[in-house]
Amino acid sequence: EAGVAQSPRYKIIEKRQSVAFWCNPISGHATLYWYQQILGQGPKLLIQFQNNGVVDDSQLPKDRFSAERLKGVDSTLKIQPAKLEDSAVYLCASSLGHRETQYFGPGTRLLVL
Amino acid sequence: DQQVKQNSPSLSVQEGRISILNCDYTNSMFDYFLWYKKYPAEGPTFLISISSIKDKNEDGRFTVFLNKSAKHLSLHIVPSQPGDSAVYFCAAYKGGSEKLVFGKGTKLTVNP
Repeated sequence: EAGVAQSPRYKIIEKRQSVAFWCNPISGHATLYWYQQILGQGPKLLIQFQNNGVVDDSQLPKDRFSAERLKGVDSTLKIQPAKLEDSAVYLCASSLGHRETQYFGPGTRLLVL
Repeated sequence: DQQVKQNSPSLSVQEGRISILNCDYTNSMFDYFLWYKKYPAEGPTFLISISSIKDKNEDGRFTVFLNKSAKHLSLHIVPSQPGDSAVYFCAAYKGGSEKLVFGKGTKLTVNP
């Protein structure tokens, strides 16, 4: 069974530029999550989708971050404009449903200069 | 506001010995607890979980203990193996919430 796929794996941008990350969850998983992991911290939930609806986006900085889940499958997370403090690993995870085991992708490491 | 705390950033043990990783939480509303393991350049992988109605759950070499009165849980790995060297995250769900809250992680090094 294929795992959660993410791309790109690494991205370097300058502040005020925009960037987008892509996630393809495990087939059949209804719930998709985007986490931000800053160096030395644990993952922090940014947004959670159930199919293509948003369940929780309370910690998503909505003035600069946006996310969508196309047709309830793939998802993209966008940052526009990026700030230095956005440098982090962005992890995508998926699960069969709420409180089911979350399976994580390898993450996208973002460096904002 | 760190609701799930892992106060030891690192732990080093000898192969074959027991590894004990600790986690404290501040909110009694947490009702389901998980441990994830993370290798460098990979995403976290689920290891073991425990519901607040239990005080122990065991899976092979891994055992999680929950002390609700102390708001404390621990992960025991016996015997420890070099392949267990990774960062271990404690995570928890609050009752009524679907948001998983992670601690900062503890880096375990198992020396041959």
